[in-house]
Amino acid sequence: QVQLQQSGAELVKPGSSVKMSCKASGYTFTSYYIYWIKQRPGQGLEWIGRIGPGSGDTNYNEKFKGKATFTVDKSSSTAYMQLSSLTPEDTAVYYCARERVYWGQGVMVTVSS
Amino acid sequence: DVVMTQTPVSLSVSLGGQTSISCRSSQSLVHSDGNTYLYWYLQKPGQSPQLLIYKVSNRFSGVPDRFSGSGSGTDFTLKISRVEPEDLGVYYCYQGTHYPPTFGGGTKLELK
Repeated sequence: QVQLQQSGAELVKPGSSVKMSCKASGYTFTSYYIYWIKQRPGQGLEWIGRIGPGSGDTNYNEKFKGKATFTVDKSSSTAYMQLSSLTPEDTAVYYCARERVYWGQGVMVTVSS
Repeated sequence: DVVMTQTPVSLSVSLGGQTSISCRSSQSLVHSDGNTYLYWYLQKPGQSPQLLIYKVSNRFSGVPDRFSGSGSGTDFTLKISRVEPEDLGVYYCYQGTHYPPTFGGGTKLELK
């Protein structure tokens, strides 16, 4: 079955960066986009962008350009998202998803000094 | 960006009852390819969102027929009949027609 296993929670300092992973299994990794979505505590959902694992093509929500960077490792069927110049407003759960259907369990990122 | 407006923000429903959630978009969600990329998700407490309905009215695999989606253009509805305890949580609509994709603000379904 399709599974997306995300890395563990992160506590990071303002101004730093964090890189999280999303390991896919149960399907052909290169055949579907990986989406990244942000959910601030107690709030709604924001689409950050997507990456095509086969081509490496990326599309970013304008709001997150310069903040998020997507990469993939096809050999391990893993997608990554790096967030840079972190501020408290980046404190959120970050989900990866296989396009609109299958979601990972989320990574809680807390930005605090 | 396309604004997705969900109403109501919260709902109280009795077990076994019926309810509906509205989702309105600031632009038509009909894509140039003829499809309407309107989706519904349920986020149960402490869990990731799970897909219920895709392209307005298609139930995803394993979703009970108690859930139904309808609508067109800018106006969409999710109906839930015979509400069960596992239906409680926050419902989100999502549009994938226009870039960037956007979500509604959510509707919290609670027990009366």
